[in-house]
Formats: sequence, C-alpha cells, structure tokens
Amino acid sequence: GAGVSQSPRYKVTKRGQDVALRCDPISGHVSLYWYRQALGQGPEFLTYFNYEAQQDKSGLPNDRFSAERPEGSISTLTIQRTEQRDSAMYRCASSLAPLRADTQYFGPGTRLTVL
Amino acid sequence: AQTVTQSQPEMSVQEAETVTLSCTYDTSESDYYLFWYKQPPSRQMILVIRQEAYKQQNATENRFSVNFQKAAKSFSLKISDSQLGDAAMYFCAYRSAGFGNEKLTFGTGTRLTIIP
Repeated sequence: GAGVSQSPRYKVTKRGQDVALRCDPISGHVSLYWYRQALGQGPEFLTYFNYEAQQDKSGLPNDRFSAERPEGSISTLTIQRTEQRDSAMYRCASSLAPLRADTQYFGPGTRLTVL
Repeated sequence: AQTVTQSQPEMSVQEAETVTLSCTYDTSESDYYLFWYKQPPSRQMILVIRQEAYKQQNATENRFSVNFQKAAKSFSLKISDSQLGDAAMYFCAYRSAGFGNEKLTFGTGTRLTIIP
C-alpha cells in the first residue's frame, strides 16, 4: 500500500489482558515511531526505531509496554496486563531517513479501549 | 525538554476569510524543525507545512503559510481563503535536528471551525 497501515483499527479488551498492535510502515522507510494520543490531546511519543534498532524508548510509560521491529519493517507494540488508563489512540508513523529529518507520515491509528 | 504550547483551544472563521493559529515553543537548541499537522474528523494526521529553523524564509504551501519568529520562539499558521475542508484539529509540533532525538513533541491542538 501507499501509506502506513495499522491493525487492528479498533481493539476492545478486558483489563488484565495483553494486546499487540501492529504497524506496517511505508515501504523503504527506515524510521518507525509510536505515539499515543488521548482524547483531546496531541500525540505523545512512546518509542522509535531506525531499521530494527530501538533508538529511544524513553516515552514508554512503564514496563508493561514494549515494542519490537525484528526485521526492520513491521513493528509490534505490546501492552501487557492492560489497565483502563491505557485506553487511547495508538499511532504509528514512519519516515524515510532519520538524518534528513524527513517528514513523519502517520497511520490511521488503533483505537484501544480497555474495559 | 522541549515544550509546545497552543493557547487557542478553539478558533472559528468565516468561509473564504483568513485565520491565524498560534504556537509557541520552548527550547535551548538552535537547530530544529517545526511542523503543523491537521487532524480532520477522520482522525488521520496529515502534514500541512514544515519549517527548518535555520531558514529565515517562512514556509508556504498554497493557502497555508507560517510566521516563524525564532527569537520569540513563535510559529503561527495562517490559512487564507478558508474552506469547509479546513475544519479540523491543528497540531503544532517540534523536532530536534540532532541525531538520536527524532521524536515529535506536539502541542495540545486548536480546533478550527469553518462557518459557511
């Protein structure tokens, strides 16, 4: 596809369950970013990768959150033992090359609801 | 840490008129990038315009232009000839130019309403 894709688009889960959110970046894009957006707020940075290397995970709220990008393409954000406060829109973005500060293109997001 | 402030939670403008959205930021860095993103009701995030801090010339994209005041740390977005399709949340964002610090820091957004 031409853009960043994310799946699922909507996820409803019960508190305590684990969830895995997937991001498929634009083909050839080196950098991949994860953000979280609460209702009425701007996106907040979680973590990012260049190729398969996780460069910065300072935005992950706690150790229940983890992310991987094992082959430098698709990435998975995993939330273990979900809590109601984890409910938000999770957004993925990708960019072509980090050193040139290329534009980050965002996917449609995954709306996570924890009951 | 850098912060981005959008002091106007909501703005409205008559169709075909001009509106300016405000953004200020705080940083100790001299080289960075600034962006305006649009989030329509579909909740997609769409890049509107970007500005490199080392460039003195203000960026322009069709009906969208910025007023970048580096000393004042101000980065406002001007939308000319407003159209109904411009109705959206607008987010200002900052990105360091340094390698390894590539995250975007967003403001809280301004909701723009277009009055027909």
